[in-house]
Amino acid sequence: ETGVTQTPRHLVMGMTNKKSLKCEQHLGHNAMYWYKQSAKKPLELMFVYNFKEQTENNSVPSRFSPECPNSSHLFLHLHTLQPEDSALYLCASSQALNEQFFGPGTRLTVL
Amino acid sequence: SQQGEEDPQALSIQEGENATMNCSYKTSINNLQWYRQNSGRGLVHLILIRSNEREKHSGRLRVTLDTSKKSSSLLITASRAADTASYFCATDNYGQNFVFGPGTRLSVLP
Repeated sequence: ETGVTQTPRHLVMGMTNKKSLKCEQHLGHNAMYWYKQSAKKPLELMFVYNFKEQTENNSVPSRFSPECPNSSHLFLHLHTLQPEDSALYLCASSQALNEQFFGPGTRLTVL
Repeated sequence: SQQGEEDPQALSIQEGENATMNCSYKTSINNLQWYRQNSGRGLVHLILIRSNEREKHSGRLRVTLDTSKKSSSLLITASRAADTASYFCATDNYGQNFVFGPGTRLSVLP
């Protein structure tokens, strides 16, 4: 148990659906991250929030929309995804740029 | 461009043997970290080594850093079946966010 939780753990959705991934950290960290992990590809950083402000957006398509209402919660809203978006989505938190604590991930399948 | 590159991509050893994984990177770093990931799960932080450190130990783990060669190695001694996982290095480039390499998949055979 790393202190970072993610829900749901598994999600299957159609291309026209709208869904949201949730991440919560109980560590008092000030930075939160979304990563995408596809098979046989390096971990891809998607978004970074530092003190609730987005500081990084690595050319992520607009069908992925992050939201950080406070420093403990992070959401990833999904809309009209493509089958190639199927992957493991990992949330992490850290205090400044020190070690990151990862959640267990959400396994997303887009049909 | 990708910052960290682990080598080898895959490694199989017998239980009790030592496992060595390497990481190379391209630009100057503030620190380098190693993470472990069990299949389909989140990553777990193993060890952080700062740019002014050359070696660090944590239990059965030993990490070295050679900034002149822009490389790091992770040594796991007396490996166990439970060490079977993917191992990633991640670099912090002085205020930029971490960049992860593709990982080394380690299999420890009983």
